[in-house]
Amino acid sequence: AQKVTQAQTEISVVEKEDVTLDCVYETRDTTYYLFWYKQPPSGELVFLIRRNSFDEQNEISGRYSWNFQKSTSSFNFTITASQVVDSAVYFCALSERRAQKLVFGQGTRLTINP
Amino acid sequence: GAGVSQSPRYKVAKRGQDVALRCDPISGHVSLFWYQQALGQGPEFLTYFQNEAQLDKSGLPSDRFFAERPEGSVSTLKIQRTQQEDSAVYLCASRYMDEKETQYFGPGTRLLVL
Repeated sequence: AQKVTQAQTEISVVEKEDVTLDCVYETRDTTYYLFWYKQPPSGELVFLIRRNSFDEQNEISGRYSWNFQKSTSSFNFTITASQVVDSAVYFCALSERRAQKLVFGQGTRLTINP
Repeated sequence: GAGVSQSPRYKVAKRGQDVALRCDPISGHVSLFWYQQALGQGPEFLTYFQNEAQLDKSGLPSDRFFAERPEGSVSTLKIQRTQQEDSAVYLCASRYMDEKETQYFGPGTRLLVL
């Protein structure tokens, strides 16, 4: 069965600090896809990144970076030099080739204080 | 191009009323998903269409929930005899083709059942 765990319910940091959001997943499929979405107060889920199970290369996009480690079934997300606009709920999600649907974690509410 | 749109954005229903929620996917997207998001939780899968075929409805919580996509484009999620526990945000997502692609979400319909 698919499962995604985001153990951090809430994180609060001061602007310009670096922050890492943890994501651990479970799957029995050998082909799967991992995602991060951002949900600002407006409510819409905004896509951030997709990785497939065959590509463990870490990715950096501006202040955002992602660390995918199959050995620990983790797909962590780091924001460098955080800004107030980064305040949102962040969701990690998993889809298996067999199941199609996205399975989401519970989300981490990130608050960046000025 | 235009993103996924949903209507209405907000719906207040009295317990026992029927409601219909509409989703317009991104043009050309073959796959369409419905998710339910309770307050403070991650989205949970309801049902999935590929074109007009409903391939997975395992997440529908009861037979009061019904979804259709008759022409393979617009989809409607119908909830009959609404109950208070149906209060949630209903999210629609579309995807170009298969599980390698990203699901893009609409703004959601916030349903409140009184």
